[in-house]
Amino acid sequence: DAKTTQPPSMDCAEGRAANLPCNHSTISGNEYVYWYRQIHSQGPQYIIHGLKNNETNEMASLIITEDRKSSTLILPHATLRDTAVYYCIRNNAGNMLTFGGGTRLMVKP
Amino acid sequence: DAGITQSPRHKVTETGTPVTLRCHQTENHRYMYWYRQDPGHGLRLIHYSYGVKDTDKGEVSDGYSVSRSKTEDFLLTLESATSSQTSVYFCAISPGLAVYEQYFGPGTRLTVT
Repeated sequence: DAKTTQPPSMDCAEGRAANLPCNHSTISGNEYVYWYRQIHSQGPQYIIHGLKNNETNEMASLIITEDRKSSTLILPHATLRDTAVYYCIRNNAGNMLTFGGGTRLMVKP
Repeated sequence: DAGITQSPRHKVTETGTPVTLRCHQTENHRYMYWYRQDPGHGLRLIHYSYGVKDTDKGEVSDGYSVSRSKTEDFLLTLESATSSQTSVYFCAISPGLAVYEQYFGPGTRLTVT
């Protein structure tokens, strides 16, 4: 039970912004939202995390709704190398990451 | 990859044989984790360690044991491999819990015939 809901797949045109949604309606006040991605045949890669404020780093931006029930990962200018499975995760009571099915993002030329 | 290596990268073994997978880190991070990844199940935590000789079970620990005698090494052992343990195994490290991200190794593909 990953406790987050993501669309199974999405397409994005190269150079455009990719907006990946995640629903975490039962998130508790002290749980962070993490985003990881996994490129085919590689280990997962950390992207970004946040609690309640929007966050930005060199890879992506994370927008968290005010009620914290959902979030959106934004890749501002998607490239072909961003094709991967993206996981939205909330850390559970034991602080162990629980990976669900994720969203398979396909960036197309 | 953040100073994490896994060995072997690929292994084929027979049912009933013991298998040990090794994770080695050069980051001196306190926490180390073993996950397995199977189609339809995502990544699932097997065991983790929060220090030398300090380990605990994860979601799918049955049939697996771990040991950590040095900060840099975390071993995963399948005492008697079964076909259901055919999977890709990932090691991860992190400097702490909660707000700290985890860094993953390249994975070990294990096939039990």
